[in-house]
Amino acid sequence: AQSVAQPEDQVNVAEGNPLTVKCTYSVSGNPYLFWYVQYPNRGLQFLLKYITGDNLVKGSYGFEAEFNKSQTSFHLKKPSALVSDSALYFCAVRVRSATDKLIFGTGTRLQVFP
Amino acid sequence: SAVISQKPSRDICQRGTSLTIQCQVDSQVTMMFWYRQQPGQSLTLIATANQGSEATYESGFVIDKFPISRPNLTFSTLTVSNMSPEDSSIYLCSVFTAYEQYFGPGTRLTVT
Repeated sequence: AQSVAQPEDQVNVAEGNPLTVKCTYSVSGNPYLFWYVQYPNRGLQFLLKYITGDNLVKGSYGFEAEFNKSQTSFHLKKPSALVSDSALYFCAVRVRSATDKLIFGTGTRLQVFP
Repeated sequence: SAVISQKPSRDICQRGTSLTIQCQVDSQVTMMFWYRQQPGQSLTLIATANQGSEATYESGFVIDKFPISRPNLTFSTLTVSNMSPEDSSIYLCSVFTAYEQYFGPGTRLTVT
């Protein structure tokens, strides 16, 4: 079955420290991978995507993600966390099918402490 | 890019009633997607709506409960029928274009 997993329900990090939010996937064929962020009482915002090409993808708000085919991972990273980065983060994979649907991971809550 | 609007933004409904959610996109798209996000949970795909054909429903979702209309390439509606408190969720409309998936602001539904 095609799926995406976020093994951590919550990640805590001190402001100024690097952060990593983990994501692994299981799909047939080449994956299209996405990260989204959801702030409290706000909509889902696109952060970045991997379709093809360079394994290191840079996105919004200083975030980046590294596609690792051998480990089937697409971890989200940021060199220096901000308190304002505290939010719910979702990894997603596009399933190539008749409907080309997007499947989401369970989400990881990032808490950045001052 | 695509800009998506949804109506209503929120509603409180009594059990047993139905609510129709509207989704409008600022450009023509082939497929529109409807997702549900239950409190504290991730997003679950309800169905995919193609213009001019029946919607494709995911496992666990049926047309009688969540009928969908797709009259043209920029508009869709999702109806939540015979509501129960378990239907209390955020319902999101989404489109895929230029390798990116865009989401509407969501409709926050509370069923009492």
